[in-house]
Amino acid sequence: GDSVTQMEGPVTLSEEAFLTINCTYTATGYPSLFWYVQYPGEGLQLLLKATKADDKGSNKGFEATYRKETTSFHLEKGSVQVSDSAVYFCALSDKGNAGNMLTFGGGTRLMVKP
Amino acid sequence: EPEVTQTPSHQVTQMGQEVILRCVPISNHLYFYWYRQILGQKVEFLVSFYNNEISEKSEIFDDQFSVERPDGSNFTLKIRSTKLEDSAMYFCASNVRGWDGYTFGSGTRLTVV
Repeated sequence: GDSVTQMEGPVTLSEEAFLTINCTYTATGYPSLFWYVQYPGEGLQLLLKATKADDKGSNKGFEATYRKETTSFHLEKGSVQVSDSAVYFCALSDKGNAGNMLTFGGGTRLMVKP
Repeated sequence: EPEVTQTPSHQVTQMGQEVILRCVPISNHLYFYWYRQILGQKVEFLVSFYNNEISEKSEIFDDQFSVERPDGSNFTLKIRSTKLEDSAMYFCASNVRGWDGYTFGSGTRLTVV
């Protein structure tokens, strides 16, 4: 079945540091890939997405490139802010899946210190 | 921007009681979902719903769970007889095309005591 593996957290960075959160996936079909962010006490917000190989999703300074050859979708940001502190979830939706459900990774908590 | 609305935001119920969690998906969306997140754990798929029927459900979604779209706007999750382990955040989501553009609600925190 489909699965998503993320690096375990927490990831602790100083403000303006470079961020990478690794995500790899296994899917039987041709998945769309997503990053969701969950701020403390809130729900899931779509951060960015990519629907086919070599697509780059970007939003709010974050970006991730769909790499089919390495089955990866790593999240990066050049300069993090304290306000980026949250839990980040990598997820996929396999178009070949009749239920169209999202499969989530375990989440990575990011803590940014001033 | 259109939103998925969930009510209530927090519900406390006694073990064995029935609960109904309510969601109003985005109006032109066709696919509806329920997910749950036990505190500190992964977000887990429960059920997907399309064209007035369940299209997929997970192992978690046993006979104690049911979903319904009672009218043109609401989408509900019912837990017939709650257990302590049902305590979690429940998220509703919807989308147009079934594999893209998921929008999540802000969740209902269910606490079973």
